[in-house]
Amino acid sequence: QLQLQESGPGLVKPSETLSLTCTVSGGSFNSGSYFWAWIRQPPGKRLEWIGSVHYSGSTYYSPPLKSRITMSVDTSRKQFSLKLTSASAADTALYFCARLEGSIGWFDPWGQGTLVSVSS
Amino acid sequence: QSVLTQPPSVSGAPGQRVTISCTGSTANIGANYDVQWYQQLPGTAPKLLIFGNTNRPSGVPDRFSGSRSGASASLAITGLQAEDEADYYCQTFDNSLTVWLFGGGTKLTVL
Repeated sequence: QLQLQESGPGLVKPSETLSLTCTVSGGSFNSGSYFWAWIRQPPGKRLEWIGSVHYSGSTYYSPPLKSRITMSVDTSRKQFSLKLTSASAADTALYFCARLEGSIGWFDPWGQGTLVSVSS
Repeated sequence: QSVLTQPPSVSGAPGQRVTISCTGSTANIGANYDVQWYQQLPGTAPKLLIFGNTNRPSGVPDRFSGSRSGASASLAITGLQAEDEADYYCQTFDNSLTVWLFGGGTKLTVL
């Protein structure tokens, strides 16, 4: 059964870089059929797609966040990562990683989520 | 800005049927992009409930069903159970913003 697990600091200072890693286990990472995605949920707000990355390195980023995002993959470790620069309080959220089925599809499964707070 | 609009809350008694609507636009649902539904129990990650407008993943009870018409979609839950109390989100792709969009979420209360 495919499982995803987020990891990274729970507290980031304003203006610094938020970095998270998602480790995939129990299934294939190098399948051409899937992308790997980051999604966040600020307190009390809706889910927001951040970006998606293919095992080949191809990426799609949310336009409002595009200038601050870098996503990458490490196929040997079955991991993909998110870096979000110039963090601010608006980036405080529960961050989820998930598998994106197909080119325009659905997210399944999801990691359990990790809370990242941006505060000094 | 393109958004997906859901009612903030719905409620129903055990055994009843409830529906949750998701209204989009010609840039997303109305452009024929598939709609998905997710269930988020308190303190947990969202779980895929419906994909491709009407399809249930293995393990999801047939009490849950999805439909799409025009620029809107709906999730129906029949035979309400206490365990169905959760937040429900619709999701699709938007070709004007080039993003995967989520609705604002609907909190289902089982009375």
